[in-house]
Amino acid sequence: NAGVTQTPKFQVLKTGQSMTLQCAQDMNHEYMSWYRQDPGMGLRLIHYSVGAGITDQGEVPNGYNVSRSTTEDFPLRLLSAAPSQTSVYFCASSPTTGVSGPLHFGNGTRLTVT
Amino acid sequence: EDQVTQSPEALRLQEGESSSLNCSYTVSGLRGLFWYRQDPGKGPEFLFTLYSAGEEKEKERLKATLTKKESFLHITAPKPEDSATYLCAVRETSGSRLTFGEGTQLTVNP
Repeated sequence: NAGVTQTPKFQVLKTGQSMTLQCAQDMNHEYMSWYRQDPGMGLRLIHYSVGAGITDQGEVPNGYNVSRSTTEDFPLRLLSAAPSQTSVYFCASSPTTGVSGPLHFGNGTRLTVT
Repeated sequence: EDQVTQSPEALRLQEGESSSLNCSYTVSGLRGLFWYRQDPGKGPEFLFTLYSAGEEKEKERLKATLTKKESFLHITAPKPEDSATYLCAVRETSGSRLTFGEGTQLTVNP
């Protein structure tokens, strides 16, 4: 099993550019989520999904869009990148709705916006 | 607002020197407290879940304990391969979101 796979591993964008961070899991998990990790801030939840066709906002959703058309994939879209979005982004999944189960994380995408 | 505070921010130990990491939390009702390990350039890896005060979990040289206000991650006779950042997270009873602490960066020197 590959677990949670994130692509790309590294990305540099200019302010105003758009891009999609990809996340795929092969564990048939219903719950998927996106976090960003910044120095001194801890992991913060951006968006999450409890199943295909269902998404909801987390703690820091502004500037990001998500969709969940399949159980396996949960892409994160930056419509107009800003320097404040420079961060390391982690996708995570869980076999439950995320309420009681542990999260399985991917290895992250390091994004720099100049 | 849920708060999770981890201390110390960084800890250096000699191989074999046991110590503890602290995670103090403020939630209206605890549904679960989670410990994760994160290696440089990797995503967090799940270690333990604790649900109620008095509960303890062990895995190799690690032992996690829980009280009503804090959790400890005890590391007994650590080895260099235990070097990592250890993250604590809590989930309250009324929500589905995890609140993470900033982590403790542990370095174990040979």
